[in-house]
Amino acid sequence: EVQLVESGGGLVQPGRSMKLSCAASGFTFNNYDMAWVCQAPKKGLEWVATISYDGSSTYYRDSVKGRFTISRDNAKSTLYLQMDSLRSEDTATYYCARQLPYYFDYWGQGVMVTVSS
Amino acid sequence: VQMTQSPSYLAASPGESVSISCKASKSISNNLAWYQEKPGKANKLLIHSGSTLQSGTPSRFSGSGSGTDFTLTIRSLESEDFAVYYCQQYNEYPPTFGAGTKLELK
Repeated sequence: EVQLVESGGGLVQPGRSMKLSCAASGFTFNNYDMAWVCQAPKKGLEWVATISYDGSSTYYRDSVKGRFTISRDNAKSTLYLQMDSLRSEDTATYYCARQLPYYFDYWGQGVMVTVSS
Repeated sequence: VQMTQSPSYLAASPGESVSISCKASKSISNNLAWYQEKPGKANKLLIHSGSTLQSGTPSRFSGSGSGTDFTLTIRSLESEDFAVYYCQQYNEYPPTFGAGTKLELK
């Protein structure tokens, strides 16, 4: 059974950093591109970033370019999202998702990030 | 590519059939997926490529359309179908989602 379990969320002050993790199991992690998708409170879903199966390519939405970094450790079957210079508008639930190849066939349950002073 | 879903809210009873529309701001061929969101559960991929049911999706769900206009139809609604539904285009980066349709019990 495919499982994606996010961790690392919480309350953070504007301008500070936070790192999210997503532990994957039930599939061969290094065969798949992976992504982060977010959902601000009472808003719809927004794609955040994608990393290729081997980590060689990364893609970001414009609003997070230069502030967020997606990475992966295939030996640990874990996906990461390093979020720097956080803003109030980054407040959202962040979902880890398996990307196949441009839609998302499995999702985690999400982790909440609140950016507030 | 902007994705416009309608309606935003839909009330129906078990056994009824409903349709949800998703319109793209430009042609996306058939590069469209539909997802189901339920509280406390991971989002579920229902349909990809406009009309291909993902493994495990009940046959009462169907997708149609190509180009800019797409429809998700649920026939003979069951209690477990009351949820929020999103469309997503993946014809070009960035992938974009519709705002969602909340299907509520009448």
